[in-house]
Amino acid sequence: QKEVEQDPGPLSVPEGAIVSLNCTYSNSAFQYFMWYRQYSRKGPELLMYTYSSGNKEDGRFTAQVDKSSKYISLFIRDSQPSDSATYLCAMKTGANNLFFGTGTRLTVIP
Amino acid sequence: DADVTQTPRNRITKTGKRIMLECSQTKGHDRMYWYRQDPGLGLRLIYYSFDVKDINKGEISDGYSVSRQAQAKFSLSLESAIPNQTALYFCATSDNAGTGGYEQYFGPGTRLTVT
Repeated sequence: QKEVEQDPGPLSVPEGAIVSLNCTYSNSAFQYFMWYRQYSRKGPELLMYTYSSGNKEDGRFTAQVDKSSKYISLFIRDSQPSDSATYLCAMKTGANNLFFGTGTRLTVIP
Repeated sequence: DADVTQTPRNRITKTGKRIMLECSQTKGHDRMYWYRQDPGLGLRLIYYSFDVKDINKGEISDGYSVSRQAQAKFSLSLESAIPNQTALYFCATSDNAGTGGYEQYFGPGTRLTVT
């Protein structure tokens, strides 16, 4: 079993839709939860970071972590064509390196 | 100028050839990483280095070697390339403050094809 599981999609939504992206994980020691965004032909960039459980909001983006279920989510409100990208979840314990999901490719149709 | 640069950006090589991918950074970070990205497999860590004298194997180091020539430079070598090393390769950096680098800064990637 992979440490981090993510539905690869692809996911296609109309502009203005609410998008939900999810990852599950098996390692209960993970404490730091990240979402990276990767545009075509570019390297990933950190989008959001959450420590432990709870919600974090940044503009149209909300990250949720449910450690009891080993489940994290990223919500995008009022999605825009510029949000079209691959979204990768990533996790780490205190000291070790990042474990990435496979990424979900999102297309927002104007 | 980009903070993390990779050369070459694209490379086609033949089976059995030795090839080196280079990474340079201007962020002043101590930690550097090499990943490969494959469809359906995501990003997998090949090697990482927490400072110039520290080199560590990642998840998939077989068939690869690295050299940390300076704080700013980290090279990945394929000693004898094989077709299943065809992938997109990323270099990344992070600092070592606080939580130890949950934010990694990625280069633009090198697309390597081994025929």
